[in-house]
Amino acid sequence: EAQVTQNPRYLITVTGKKLTVTCSQNMNHEYMSWYRQDPGLGLRQIYYSMNVEVTDKGDVPEGYKVSRKEKRNFPLILESPSPNQTSLYFCASSLSRGTPLHFGNGTRLTVT
Amino acid sequence: GQQLNQSPQSMFIQEGEDVSMNCTSSSIFNTWLWYKQDPGEGPVLLIALYKAGELTSNGRLTAQFGITRKDSFLNISASIPSDVGIYFCAGQLEQFYFGTGTSLTVIP
Repeated sequence: EAQVTQNPRYLITVTGKKLTVTCSQNMNHEYMSWYRQDPGLGLRQIYYSMNVEVTDKGDVPEGYKVSRKEKRNFPLILESPSPNQTSLYFCASSLSRGTPLHFGNGTRLTVT
Repeated sequence: GQQLNQSPQSMFIQEGEDVSMNCTSSSIFNTWLWYKQDPGEGPVLLIALYKAGELTSNGRLTAQFGITRKDSFLNISASIPSDVGIYFCAGQLEQFYFGTGTSLTVIP
């Protein structure tokens, strides 16, 4: 089954404790992206990757890092999480930039 | 980022009624997408629109790419309880920009 898989689904952590949210897709998509979803603000892009070893900032990149060492994986790294990063995070992939996105089921992160 | 104004914010309707929602922007978009998000899950693509004036259906759902390329509309006919969820529009320039969603509640 074609899918985007994120882990974990839920994460509660404390300020400053580094964490990684994994994302993997099995559709051989070139384009992958991370979004955060906050009430009243919709989905906002954090980082995206057009292909392996090619990443770029989206609209809200501060406090986040990503890497794209393999085509299928695109982890999101929070080196020093803060409470304002409490949010619902979605990974998405598509054939190329500008083609319809396929979303994972989300990771709900709480930073205390 | 780009601002997409989606309305209404929420709707409460009786089962069997038709539903209309729309998205507008000050920017001209190349593509419009409509997604549905169920509680605890990620958005799922419903309809994709690629040119101005295009009208596309997916079962009871019909969406249109506005002639000005600054807006799009989604209609759901004869609503059923499983239509409940949040509907998002997305407009594409170099990336996709998302509306803030329309929350739909269907009363049996």
